[in-house]
Amino acid sequence: SQTIHQWPATLVQPVGSPLSLECTVEGTSNPNLYWYRQAAGRGLQLLFYSVGIGQISSEVPQNLSASRPQDRQFILSSKKLLLSDSGFYLCAWSVRTGYDEQYFGPGTRLTVT
Amino acid sequence: EDQVTQSPEALRLQEGESSSLNCSYTVSGLRGLFWYRQDPGKGPEFLFTLYSAGEEKEKERLKATLTKKESFLHITAPKPEDSATYLCAVRYYGGSQGNLIFGKGTKLSVKP
Repeated sequence: SQTIHQWPATLVQPVGSPLSLECTVEGTSNPNLYWYRQAAGRGLQLLFYSVGIGQISSEVPQNLSASRPQDRQFILSSKKLLLSDSGFYLCAWSVRTGYDEQYFGPGTRLTVT
Repeated sequence: EDQVTQSPEALRLQEGESSSLNCSYTVSGLRGLFWYRQDPGKGPEFLFTLYSAGEEKEKERLKATLTKKESFLHITAPKPEDSATYLCAVRYYGGSQGNLIFGKGTKLSVKP
């Protein structure tokens, strides 16, 4: 069966500090991978998605970036965090066709102070 | 303009009191409607995918239905463990491969 991991589970970072969140998927090959942010009172917002190693599509311009160094690894980064970056970050995967359901990880709660 | 609207925002039920949650969408060319359950502090858990009007899917006390403009998640004889936020999402033809458009969810509370 497939499993998706995210770490860390929670993170408190000062404004202006860097960020690195990691997501890995087990039990599947060549998945599509996604990063979402969920803010209070708002729906899930897609930030990035990837259909393969080194292939990243950005949905929302911001000070975040994503990378996919390995087939089942997806990383969300920032050089300098803003207060507005606080939120619940979710990684998800789907089969390569990309038109079926997405499966979500446990999430990372980020608080920027 | 929201493309996916869920109602009500919050719903309180007594254990055993059946009800329905609504998800209406305005996108044209639906390519899939998805229901998820999300517990506090956790990632959404996939429940159902519906692809065409008239389709129905069931899982335990939950039944999802789809029309041309909306979907319903029917909860029969709910139990306290059904308490969660239920999210609806749609994908449409012409949208990017990655993009699921999510509603803001319905927070369900079931009291014993």
